[in-house]
Amino acid sequence: EVQLVQSGGGLVQPGGSLRLSCAASGFTLSDHYMDWVRQAPGKGLEWVGRTRNKANSYTTEYAASVKGRFTISRDDSKNSLYLQMNSLKTEDTAVYYCVRVGSGWPFDYWGQGTLVTVSS
Amino acid sequence: DIQMTQSPSAMSASVGDRVTFTCRASQGISNHLAWFQQKPGKVPKRLIYAASSLQSGVPSRFSGSGSGTEFTLTISSLQPEDFATYYCLQHNSYPLTFGGGTRVEI
Repeated sequence: EVQLVQSGGGLVQPGGSLRLSCAASGFTLSDHYMDWVRQAPGKGLEWVGRTRNKANSYTTEYAASVKGRFTISRDDSKNSLYLQMNSLKTEDTAVYYCVRVGSGWPFDYWGQGTLVTVSS
Repeated sequence: DIQMTQSPSAMSASVGDRVTFTCRASQGISNHLAWFQQKPGKVPKRLIYAASSLQSGVPSRFSGSGSGTEFTLTISSLQPEDFATYYCLQHNSYPLTFGGGTRVEI
């Protein structure tokens, strides 16, 4: 059974940093592109970024709103995906989801989501 | 960036109704479109991928169509559990972009 279990998140002050983790099971992480999607309170869904699979050298893409501040990484040996968030702003407050791209078509499996609150 | 425009933003419907939502892309995206359902406080769930392919386990009353710039999601007979918000997503080019959502209310 495919599962994505997230951890991390919480309250952080503006300008601070936070790292989210996503533990994958039930599939071979290195075969898949993996993304992060977020949802601000009461708002719609926003794509954050992507890490491609091993065959595509784990290259990354980011939304303009987070580029240069957020970094997506992965450790396939630990079946884990990460989102390092630096220089956080109040507008980064959202529930963050890790999501799998299945066979080239996003997003067939989602993590449970984790709330990040950026506030002083 | 490709803009995804969903209409309507909200609608009222009754159990048994046939409902159709539209998603328009600001430029052609072939069939690189997916539809998601999200209930309040829950994780989004994929319903349709490749514009018209039904996700395994999703009831057949859901169907998707379209290609290029105009896409539709149809629920043939609305059920109580279908009251939710529906989002489209284009993944033809970066950045991936979601539509603003259509909320279906009783």
